[in-house]
Amino acid sequence: EVQLVQSGAEVKKPGESLRISCKGAGYRFTSHWINWVRQMPGKGLEWMGKIDPSESYVDYSPSFRGHVTISADKSFNTAYLEWNSLKASDTAVYFCARRSRVQTDNHYFMDVWGKGTTVIVSS
Amino acid sequence: DIQMTQSPSSLSASVGDRVNITCRASQSISTYLNWYQQKPGKAPKVLIYAASSLQSGVPSRFSGSASGTDFTLTISSLQPEDFAAYYCQQSYTTPDTFGQGTRLEIK
Repeated sequence: EVQLVQSGAEVKKPGESLRISCKGAGYRFTSHWINWVRQMPGKGLEWMGKIDPSESYVDYSPSFRGHVTISADKSFNTAYLEWNSLKASDTAVYFCARRSRVQTDNHYFMDVWGKGTTVIVSS
Repeated sequence: DIQMTQSPSSLSASVGDRVNITCRASQSISTYLNWYQQKPGKAPKVLIYAASSLQSGVPSRFSGSASGTDFTLTISSLQPEDFAAYYCQQSYTTPDTFGQGTRLEIK
């Protein structure tokens, strides 16, 4: 079964660091980019960035560049989202999602999603 | 960034109703438009990609259409399991952007 397995919920204090993970299974991990999407409490979806696991090339949304780091380790079929210094405003659910391409053209969409990792930042 | 404006932001409807949700792009995105459904506490699920292609396993009551920079998700006959939030997303250029969402509620 094709799936993305995300790490568990985290409760952290402001200023702490954190890395959450997203492990691909059931498919060739290096063949699909991985996206990260944020959903703040009661709000909509925000695209944060994506990574090509084969070369670790990262494309960030300007809204998130400099605030988070996206990385991947293809030997572990895992992508990561990392913060150096968390803020209360980072409280959200973070989803990873596989990017797939339509066979016949250059259309892309997110076809497989992890269940989400809840991050709570509170003093 | 390309802005995606969804309407309405919320909608009350009954089982069996036909429902349209609209998404307008701030510039041309061809047909690089996807629709997702999200139920409370769950991850989003793709329904429609490339504006009008039905994702495998998605019921045929869901359909998508495009006219210029306007895109429509149609549910032909609402079922109880369709009450959820719906998001459009453009994949024409980075950064990908989502619409603000439409919450579909039971009347």
